[in-house]
Amino acid sequence: AAGVIQSPRHLIKEKRETATLKCYPIPRHDTVYWYQQGPGQDPQFLISFYEKMQSDKGSIPDRFSAQQFSDYHSELNMSSLELGDSALYFCATSKSRAFISAFFGQGTRLTVV
Amino acid sequence: AQTVTQSQPEMSVQEAETVTLSCTYDTSESNYYLFWYKQPPSRQMILVIRQEAYKQQNATENRFSVNFQKAAKSFSLKISDSQLGDTAMYFCAFMKPQGGSEKLVFGKGTKLTVNP
Repeated sequence: AAGVIQSPRHLIKEKRETATLKCYPIPRHDTVYWYQQGPGQDPQFLISFYEKMQSDKGSIPDRFSAQQFSDYHSELNMSSLELGDSALYFCATSKSRAFISAFFGQGTRLTVV
Repeated sequence: AQTVTQSQPEMSVQEAETVTLSCTYDTSESNYYLFWYKQPPSRQMILVIRQEAYKQQNATENRFSVNFQKAAKSFSLKISDSQLGDTAMYFCAFMKPQGGSEKLVFGKGTKLTVNP
């Protein structure tokens, strides 16, 4: 069965550079959630989208932005990267904002050097 | 704001034995969901089991079961017949249905090691 696809799986960037993370949902899933998990930390909610509109916003820095496209995939753009942005970034997708039916992707590990 | 507490940073169990992971939470809500997620070394976040607060019956999924005590705000996970593949980080998580603003609040996690 198709799963949530995140790309790239690993990314190394230098400080002050820009990174773009992508999340491709399960077919017919129209809701995307982004989470950030720092080293040894629990995941923290960043932002969510439903039907291409922002649904909710968590502890997302102003340097980060995200959007959901017409094919429901989502991209998380991160600018002016800092060492503290090094983390595992998960997306999860669901149908009709029902998180109880959500599945997580395998994550993108971002390392800022 | 909701908080989730996992008081056991690390636990270990012998293969084939039973282990219980603790989780408590704080909320003033009456309707919510609770989850246990498994994060193996591959770092994939995998749903183990979920419980709806309005259901009194404890959820069960094969070797995994929960003891949900709503009044005590406790949600422990019992793993029976532990297997080596159960070695992972386990996160307890809380979610309040908000019709579009649903997001998980995670505990700090419990690292479980199953020994042969």
